[in-house]
Amino acid sequence: KQEVTQIPAALSVPEGENLVLNCSFTDSAIYNLQWFRQDPGKGLTSLLLIQSSQREQTSGRLNASLDKSSGRSTLYIAASQPGDSATYLCAASGGGADGLTFGKGTHLIIQP
Amino acid sequence: DTAVSQTPKYLVTQMGNDKSIKCEQNLGHDTMYWYKQDSKKFLKIMFSYNNKELIINETVPNRFSPKSPDKAHLNLHINSLELGDSAVYFCASSQRGISGNTIYFGEGSWLTVV
Repeated sequence: KQEVTQIPAALSVPEGENLVLNCSFTDSAIYNLQWFRQDPGKGLTSLLLIQSSQREQTSGRLNASLDKSSGRSTLYIAASQPGDSATYLCAASGGGADGLTFGKGTHLIIQP
Repeated sequence: DTAVSQTPKYLVTQMGNDKSIKCEQNLGHDTMYWYKQDSKKFLKIMFSYNNKELIINETVPNRFSPKSPDKAHLNLHINSLELGDSAVYFCASSQRGISGNTIYFGEGSWLTVV
């Protein structure tokens, strides 16, 4: 059964720094991996989706990479801003209508 | 326009009551889901429906019964509510399963059982 782990559980950095959030998964037979953002009291916003055949995806200051063989994905945030403060969730898809297996998230605080 | 909408957003109810949470998506997606986020913020899938047909039914008590009147709606009915049912319930949808497509989540329904 797929298990997804995110490290660190919490992170606090000054504004302007580049940072990396880590995600690992136990079953490399995934269809895709998705990164979400969750703000307090809100739902989930999809940030990036990486298909199993892809190595990375970029959107603005965000870059997500995927290494299926090692069971790892990273989310790189460049030039962090206070508005980036949120919980970031990584989720792996086994395909079909199986839904997603989520990690427990990284709670990120960007200090002004 | 809200892509995935669920109501109510907040619900406080007593133990033993029966309650429903409604979900609608206007994205034309084939697949809809219910997820539960517990007090430790851990998200876990409960149900998955594809074109009104149940695909996944994870280990949830049978007090939880999803109903899909059409592929744009997936409602969650909960009987005999217990304290441990307190959580945030998220509805979501995607096209033809999650394999290649982004999944869209609703804003969540905060259920508190007292």
